[in-house]
Amino acid sequence: EIVMTQSPVSLSVSPGERATLSCRASQTVNSNLAWYQQRPGQAPRLLIYDASTTATGIPARFSGSGSGTEFNLTISSLQSEDFAIYYCQQYNDWLRRTFGQGTKVEI
Amino acid sequence: EVELVESGGGVVRPGGSLRLSCAASGFTLGDYYMSWVRRVPGKGLEWVSNINWSGDKTTYVDSVKGRFTISRDNAKNTLYLQLNSLRAEDTALYLCARDPRQWYFDLWGRGTLVTVSS
Repeated sequence: EIVMTQSPVSLSVSPGERATLSCRASQTVNSNLAWYQQRPGQAPRLLIYDASTTATGIPARFSGSGSGTEFNLTISSLQSEDFAIYYCQQYNDWLRRTFGQGTKVEI
Repeated sequence: EVELVESGGGVVRPGGSLRLSCAASGFTLGDYYMSWVRRVPGKGLEWVSNINWSGDKTTYVDSVKGRFTISRDNAKNTLYLQLNSLRAEDTALYLCARDPRQWYFDLWGRGTLVTVSS
């Protein structure tokens, strides 16, 4: 099983600031990585797939980077609606897809 | 509106059973693979199972094999997950997700909570 480790566990930022979230894979996942956002009480939302492709309807302030084992999600200027938990997910091993434990972005 | 809505969760004793449902609206369920994912308290998200368009091909995470059964009724636009022989470690929020390429999940529901406790 590919283990996904996210850091930090939580991140305190102010509105308007830049936030960078990290995700590390225990072995290479090439660019087969997605990022999701989950606000309290809401359904998760796909943000990024293929490590750097923004999903439909996602604001341009969200961007993804990385390949192999190291990935980042950057939120260029945090808005109030961006305070949420963010998960990464690998699908390189598509029969055993795994998620990170999440990073909570809070004010 | 394109939406997935889960139902059927509840509190059940160890060894008990539940049947979860996921109603799809705004798109044709039969055009997509579908998955169940669970959010375990303190552990994050775990993919549980998926099913192909017609329902004749299913896969499961090892920890639920032989206990959980995924199925679908495309005429009713509904996905199901039968949970049997439940254990305390199955306690989680169960979410259904659209699984277009068996890679990432492009649409999710809000989930239904399953609590296994004596």
